Amino acid sequence: KQEVTQIPAALSVPEGENLVLNCSFTDSAIYNLQWFRQDPGKGLTSLLLIQSSQREQTSGRLNASLDKSSGRSTLYIAASQPGDSATYLCAVPSGTYKYIFGTGTRLKVLA
Amino acid sequence: ETGVTQTPRHLVMGMTNKKSLKCEQHLGHNAMYWYKQSAKKPLELMFVYSLEERVENNSVPSRFSPECPNSSHLFLHLHTLQPEDSALYLCASSQMGLATGELFFGEGSRLTVL
Repeated sequence: KQEVTQIPAALSVPEGENLVLNCSFTDSAIYNLQWFRQDPGKGLTSLLLIQSSQREQTSGRLNASLDKSSGRSTLYIAASQPGDSATYLCAVPSGTYKYIFGTGTRLKVLA
Repeated sequence: ETGVTQTPRHLVMGMTNKKSLKCEQHLGHNAMYWYKQSAKKPLELMFVYSLEERVENNSVPSRFSPECPNSSHLFLHLHTLQPEDSALYLCASSQMGLATGELFFGEGSRLTVL
């Protein structure tokens, strides 16, 4: 049974710092891994999708890596800004229609 | 309009009311989902529709009744709800194929049951 874990559960950093969020999964047979951002009371916004054949995906200040063999993905945020404050979730497909979500990392970037 | 849109954004209802949540996707996807998000709990998958056919029903109480009239629209009909049903209800869509596609969410409908 696939399990997805995100550590740390919460993170508070000063503005400008580079940071890494972690996502671990137990079953390495995944098609892809997706990173989301969620602001309080809002829906999830897709940030990056990494296919199983890829090692990295980049979008602006965000870089996501995938290491299937070790069951890990990291989301790197460069030069963090207060507007990056949100909860970040990762998810992997499980079966044809299910996605297994991590419990998220709540990020606060202090001005 | 683009992406996934949900209405209403906020809904307050009594335990004896009947109301509906609506979701519309403008992405040409063939699968649509309802998720429930309660405070301090992980996302819970409720229903999945693929090509307008329900393919997943995660032991959801019958007071929640989904409807998918076509591949672009998804409804969640609500009746005789309980206060513990208060949550953020999220609709999502994806393109299902040989590999599971990217998942896109709407902004959610915040439901409060009095």
